[in-house]
Amino acid sequence: AQKITQTQPGMFVQEKEAVTLDCTYDTSDQSYGLFWYKQPSSGEMIFLIYQGSYDEQNATEGRYSLNFQKARKSANLVISASQLGDSAMYFCAMRVPYNQGGKLIFGQGTELSVKP
Amino acid sequence: GAGVSQTPSNKVTEKGKYVELRCDPISGHTALYWYRQSLGQGPEFLIYFQGTGAADDSGLPNDRFFAVRPEGSVSTLKIQRTERGDSAVYLCASSLIGTSGPSTDTQYFGPGTRLTVL
Repeated sequence: AQKITQTQPGMFVQEKEAVTLDCTYDTSDQSYGLFWYKQPSSGEMIFLIYQGSYDEQNATEGRYSLNFQKARKSANLVISASQLGDSAMYFCAMRVPYNQGGKLIFGQGTELSVKP
Repeated sequence: GAGVSQTPSNKVTEKGKYVELRCDPISGHTALYWYRQSLGQGPEFLIYFQGTGAADDSGLPNDRFFAVRPEGSVSTLKIQRTERGDSAVYLCASSLIGTSGPSTDTQYFGPGTRLTVL
């Protein structure tokens, strides 16, 4: 069965420093997608970054990068130069193959707090 | 352009009542998903539509839950005989088309409907 594990319930980082949020996944499928979403206290789920299972290069989007290690089945999110507005819950998710419906499976989330 | 919208933003109801939650996806998105998020948890899949048909409803917890998408755009999640355990945030997401790739694969979420069953 497919599963996402986020082992850090809470993380603190100093403003302007970099932080890594961990995510490991379990699947026997060859085709899947990996996503990170940010959920501020307002509750909206904001898409941050995507990595396809066949992509050889790590995805980057501005201050966000995804450290994709396929053999280890890990997809860690790196946020560079943290800002106060980065304080939020962060969810790692895996999209199952479309012949299985293409749904997202989410981890439990990591609450990031950025200190001034 | 406009994102995914959901109405109402908040819904308070009494145990045993019927509720309808509405989702309006991004224009042109053929795939639509419903998820449920309980406090302190990640979202959990409920149902997936590709066009008008429910392609996967394996996440619906029981037969009190039902969803429709009659014209392939707006979707309504219907909950009969609500129970206190149904209290959660119900999230809707849409994506362009069900194929791999960053532009087509990404599911964009609405703001959610917070359902409280008293």
